[in-house]
Amino acid sequence: GAGVSQSPSNKVTEKGKDVELRCDPISGHTALYWYRQSLGQGLEFLIYFQGNSAPDKSGLPSDRFSAERTGGSVSTLTIQRTQQEDSAVYLCASSLGTSNEQFFGPGTRLTVL
Amino acid sequence: GQQLNQSPQSMFIQEGEDVSMNCTSSSIFNTWLWYKQDPGEGPVLLIALYKAGELTSNGRLTAQFGITRKDSFLNISASIPSDVGIYFCAGQYAGGTSYGKLTFGQGTILTVHP
Repeated sequence: GAGVSQSPSNKVTEKGKDVELRCDPISGHTALYWYRQSLGQGLEFLIYFQGNSAPDKSGLPSDRFSAERTGGSVSTLTIQRTQQEDSAVYLCASSLGTSNEQFFGPGTRLTVL
Repeated sequence: GQQLNQSPQSMFIQEGEDVSMNCTSSSIFNTWLWYKQDPGEGPVLLIALYKAGELTSNGRLTAQFGITRKDSFLNISASIPSDVGIYFCAGQYAGGTSYGKLTFGQGTILTVHP
């Protein structure tokens, strides 16, 4: 499809395990964003990538969180040693540039037991 | 950091009624956006506002960018059942290290009774 896709759609893991969440942005979009949405809350910015520039990591809540974007396209958000408070929906968005409309994927619902 | 306060948190209305929700910020934004999120989906952009004082309509939706650049409202007229969902305001400040990222309000849950 032409939209932003994310996988998996749901992930259940045990506390202490590592998880990887994937985002496929819209083709040609240079900017990619990760947000976290906790139950009943708004979206919280985590990190964004713009072209070949260094990513803005200012929203990552701890050093257990990291993300990379390979080849300017697909991005992976990694959470190491997951904690129960990491349970949330992780949303990815992409845009043509940082001043353009952000299109969101359906999200990955992460549950840490 | 920037804080967005969105109100009301939830609304229960009858079909055909008008709805109004608003957001206020502790600091200024260059862009105000309003999104709607359906269950299991990502937010979808409804209206974007780029200039202080701007009033923009999209069908039954009307939104305004406050002249102080610290607030915005969204009105929905003649609500219909498919308006049900969560509405988020978001601000974007194009400057410094904040360029590009969105700051979201807590959301307004809208329920429309037929």
